[in-house]
Amino acid sequence: GQNIDQPTEMTATEGAIVQINCTYQTSGFNGLFWYQQHAGEAPTFLSYNVLDGLEEKGRFSSFLSRSKGYSYLLLKELQMKDSASYLCAVMDSNYQLIWGAGTKLIIKP
Amino acid sequence: GAVVSQHPSWVICKSGTSVKIECRSLDFQATTMFWYRQFPKQSLMLMATSNEGSKATYEQGVEKDKFLINHASLTLSTLTVTSAHPEDSSFYICSARTGEREQFFGPGTRLTVL
Repeated sequence: GQNIDQPTEMTATEGAIVQINCTYQTSGFNGLFWYQQHAGEAPTFLSYNVLDGLEEKGRFSSFLSRSKGYSYLLLKELQMKDSASYLCAVMDSNYQLIWGAGTKLIIKP
Repeated sequence: GAVVSQHPSWVICKSGTSVKIECRSLDFQATTMFWYRQFPKQSLMLMATSNEGSKATYEQGVEKDKFLINHASLTLSTLTVTSAHPEDSSFYICSARTGEREQFFGPGTRLTVL
């Protein structure tokens, strides 16, 4: 079966760095996405990785290792507005997105 | 970036009535549109996938006669919740895709059935 695992909840301090991990087992792989979702709102796109390595975009970076079925989202210089759920999703061989359950990130002052 | 709109943003209806939700891709043509449902504190649940001009493909457990999907054009898909009941109250989100990569999400529609 297809499976995406990520922690349910994480807590971090404003100004710090946090890493949210995602492991996956899917039938085929056509890329991994990270989305941010604030409570009561639709998800917004953060990053897309299809090749191994680190993609940096401002305060956010995303890493992928296809051989390990592993990705992480790294958030630096945390701000209170970063409190949200972070969804990991993998596009399988049929170009369908398989979604993780999301990681709720709580930022404390 | 690509913009997807949904209408209405929120709707309250009586049990037994039908509700139609529209999803539009405003500045691109969407080959595929997706309908998701999200209950509080839960992840997105894919309900169905629709391609323009063809019948929608429903996920297991989703009643196709209750959740009617019409993908009339490359920029419009509609979801009709027929004979809505309180347990259908949820956050319904559509997304649209052009090509084979990124999905662009609409802002969502919050449905409350009394």
